[in-house]
Amino acid sequence: GNSVTQMEGPVTLSEEAFLTINCTYTATGYPSLFWYVQYPGEGLQLLLKATKADDKGSNKGFEATYRKETTSFHLEKGSVQVSDSAVYFCALTAPGETSGSRLTFGEGTQLTVNP
Amino acid sequence: NAGVTQTPKFQVLKTGQSMTLQCAQDMNHEYMSWYRQDPGMGLRLIHYSVGAGITDQGEVPNGYNVSRSTTEDFPLRLLSAAPSQTSVYFCASSYLGGGNEQFFGPGTRLTVL
Repeated sequence: GNSVTQMEGPVTLSEEAFLTINCTYTATGYPSLFWYVQYPGEGLQLLLKATKADDKGSNKGFEATYRKETTSFHLEKGSVQVSDSAVYFCALTAPGETSGSRLTFGEGTQLTVNP
Repeated sequence: NAGVTQTPKFQVLKTGQSMTLQCAQDMNHEYMSWYRQDPGMGLRLIHYSVGAGITDQGEVPNGYNVSRSTTEDFPLRLLSAAPSQTSVYFCASSYLGGGNEQFFGPGTRLTVL
C-alpha cells in the first residue's frame, strides 16, 4: 500500500537557521505530493504541493522538489522565523485509488523556532 | 465563504454513549472525508465520500458511521463511544482528483471517559 515516512521530531532551531524536514514515500504510479502545516490549535492547511516528477513546490519561503528517483519530497527553508513553529505533515494522493483524492499522511514533525 | 465548519469544538462522552460530529462545507466540493489525529500517528482516514449518496471506508472505520445526503454535509456518528476513540477529529473537503488541495475544518477534540 501507499505510505509516507517523515524524519522523527521534534526539531528545535534558532531563528534564521536552515530547515530541512525529510520525507520519503512508497506508492504505485505517480502520486501527487503535499506538505501541510498545522499551527497550534488549528486545522491543517496546504503549504505547497507538486504533482509530477521534478516539479518544485514553493510558498512562504518553503520549497520541496518531487524526486522520483529517490522517492522523496524534502521540505526546506533557508531562514526560519518564530512564526514557522508548527507541525508539518508530508502527504500523498495516489492514482489507482477508488478516489484519487484520498490523502495518506506521514506522522508529522513538530518544529519549534526560538528567538 | 465559511469554508469547512465543524461542531462541536470540544466534547466529553462516557463510554457507551453515542453522538454525531457535524461537518459542513460551502465550496461545492464533491469529496469529503473524516480523519482522526493521535499523537505520533499523523492523521488516519476514517471514512470518505465522493459525492452525495456515496460513502466508503478508510483506514480505521470501526466504531464510526457516516452518511452523505447532501453535497454540503458529512456527519460522523460514534455508535457506542470507547476510550480508544479519544482523539482530535478533522473533516476535510476538496474537488475530486489527486492534485487538489484539501481544506480542513478546525477540528473537534473528543474525550471518552
